[in-house]
Amino acid sequence: DTAVSQTPKYLVTQMGNDKSIKCEQNLGHDTMYWYKQDSKKFLKIMFSYNNKELIINETVPNRFSPKSPDKAHLNLHINSLELGDSAVYFCASSQRAGGGELFFGEGSRLTVL
Amino acid sequence: GENVEQHPSTLSVQEGDSAVIKCTYSDSASNYFPWYKQELGKGPQLIIDIRSNVGEKKDQRIAVTLNKTAKHFSLHITETQPEDSAVYFCAATAREGGADGLTFGKGTHLIIQP
Repeated sequence: DTAVSQTPKYLVTQMGNDKSIKCEQNLGHDTMYWYKQDSKKFLKIMFSYNNKELIINETVPNRFSPKSPDKAHLNLHINSLELGDSAVYFCASSQRAGGGELFFGEGSRLTVL
Repeated sequence: GENVEQHPSTLSVQEGDSAVIKCTYSDSASNYFPWYKQELGKGPQLIIDIRSNVGEKKDQRIAVTLNKTAKHFSLHITETQPEDSAVYFCAATAREGGADGLTFGKGTHLIIQP
């Protein structure tokens, strides 16, 4: 069983469209995250949720909206996609806020044309 | 906020030789320093971590050292093997594990030459 799973793995879309990436973890963790990895491999945190509540919201355009329906799921919705949004988006989870190892999903590669 | 610098960005070593990757951090309150390995097409995976009350930690061919005074920490891989080829990230946080999120270095692409 995959611990942290994201869908879709690849996403190609046009500028201006709206898209979502879904993430689920079956580890029973309390905290989930979204990270963005750009073309130079730089990993930067976007959001962190603990028990469905937002605890970190880094400087991210408000076109990005995370939603956590329950503590096992953290989805990322992106409105009005721009060329600069092209990246690999990683979902991750940890046992608790302040709790050690991050478990990453395999990433969702978003390409905006 | 925390700033983590990582060097080199690319490292090529002969199979069997040692590899060393170095990181510095800016926030003296940081107390947790993990290292992640990212293989092609995969998400990063924790390989070793060290906390601020420890100067060195070893796990088989991998070791990490921490110098709190100088605010730097290093990853050492001995007897490198082809499967060690990957991108390695150091990270730091003042709250272990990520309530505040880990701040990652920019990564080192390690290439093991046969």
